[in-house]
Amino acid sequence: NAGVTQTPKFQVLKTGQSMTLQCAQDMNHEYMSWYRQDPGMGLRLIHYSVGAGITDQGEVPNGYNVSRSTTEDFPLRLLSAAPSQTSVYFCASSYSRESGYEQYFGPGTRLTVT
Amino acid sequence: AQSVAQPEDQVNVAEGNPLTVKCTYSVSGNPYLFWYVQYPNRGLQFLLKYITGDNLVKGSYGFEAEFNKSQTSFHLKKPSALVSDSALYFCAVRGGSGNTGKLIFGQGTTLQVKP
Repeated sequence: NAGVTQTPKFQVLKTGQSMTLQCAQDMNHEYMSWYRQDPGMGLRLIHYSVGAGITDQGEVPNGYNVSRSTTEDFPLRLLSAAPSQTSVYFCASSYSRESGYEQYFGPGTRLTVT
Repeated sequence: AQSVAQPEDQVNVAEGNPLTVKCTYSVSGNPYLFWYVQYPNRGLQFLLKYITGDNLVKGSYGFEAEFNKSQTSFHLKKPSALVSDSALYFCAVRGGSGNTGKLIFGQGTTLQVKP
């Protein structure tokens, strides 16, 4: 299994540009989520999905959209990039929505917005 | 509301000495607690979890953690530190069963093990 994969690894955007961060998992996991990591703030949940066709907002959803058309894929869209979205983005998945299952993380996408 | 606190930004330990990385939590109901490690320029890797049962949980790479309900703590420990343990460590908590899986992370603690 490849686990959780993310593309691209690095991206530089100009303010106002849009882009999609890709995330895929091959473990048939039900639950997927997106986090951003900023220095001194740990990881904060952006959006999550408990199954294909079902998504919900996390702690910091503004400026981001998600969709879940398949079990495997969970892309994150930046609608109009802002410097405040400069961060490292991690996608994660777990077997079940139930709380006892640990999450598996992708390698991350480092995004810089100028 | 759920919260996790890691009171130390950095922990310095000499190789071969025991290490402790502290974590306290606040959650309604029974907590589900996790430790993750992040090496430079990598994603987070799962180390161990407490769901129920024995308060001492053993995980990967020789790490263990002790759940203390009265002190609402879940400290990460290792009897003998290695230089290769140097990394960023995150504690995380979820609410009890039925939760949709939202994981709340602490701020992270950098562990520096010196030879």
